[in-house]
Amino acid sequence: AQTVTQSQPEMSVQEAETVTLSCTYDTSENNYYLFWYKQPPSRQMILVIRQEAYKQQNATENRFSVNFQKAAKSFSLKISDSQLGDTAMYFCASLEEYGNKLVFGAGTILRVKS
Amino acid sequence: KAGVTQTPRYLIKTRGQQVTLSCSPISGHRSVSWYQQTPGQGLQFLFEYFSETQRNKGNFPGRFSGRQFSNSRSEMNVSTLELGDSALYLCASSSGQGSPLNYGYTFGSGTRLTVV
Repeated sequence: AQTVTQSQPEMSVQEAETVTLSCTYDTSENNYYLFWYKQPPSRQMILVIRQEAYKQQNATENRFSVNFQKAAKSFSLKISDSQLGDTAMYFCASLEEYGNKLVFGAGTILRVKS
Repeated sequence: KAGVTQTPRYLIKTRGQQVTLSCSPISGHRSVSWYQQTPGQGLQFLFEYFSETQRNKGNFPGRFSGRQFSNSRSEMNVSTLELGDSALYLCASSSGQGSPLNYGYTFGSGTRLTVV
């Protein structure tokens, strides 16, 4: 069974600075997918970034990038030039290659301060 | 294109009652998944429907059920409500085929259910 662990319940960062959110996972699959979702107070889960385990190159989406360490089963999210609008709960999630359910971590509350 | 629509947005029910929640996926999407979000248990998978068939089910009691219609709209039903069923219920829409990296999951804003 897949498990996802986010060990940082809360984090804060100053506007314009960089912050890294941690995520580790466990799976017995050879290929799988990893995601970071953002949930602002509006409650809607918004996809931030995604990565396929077969691809060694770290995914990047504008100010968001990941550090994917497959051997260590680690998938951290780096947010550069943090903005007030980045304040939200961030969830790390995994999906097996032929699966159809996301397994989520407990989430990290990120607060960006001005 | 329109996003994922969940109705109602808020709901208050009494213990013992039953409730039905609705999710309309993005046009063309054939897969709808349901998740329960609580402060204590986090986000947990309930079930997934694809073309009116349940493909996967999470570890929830039989009081939780769902269905999907031919237009891909999905409903989930909770019977004999308990206080612990109070949660945010989220549904996610996807094409359900091919690589998840391409199709991804789009979530609705959820239904906040409070059981009193």
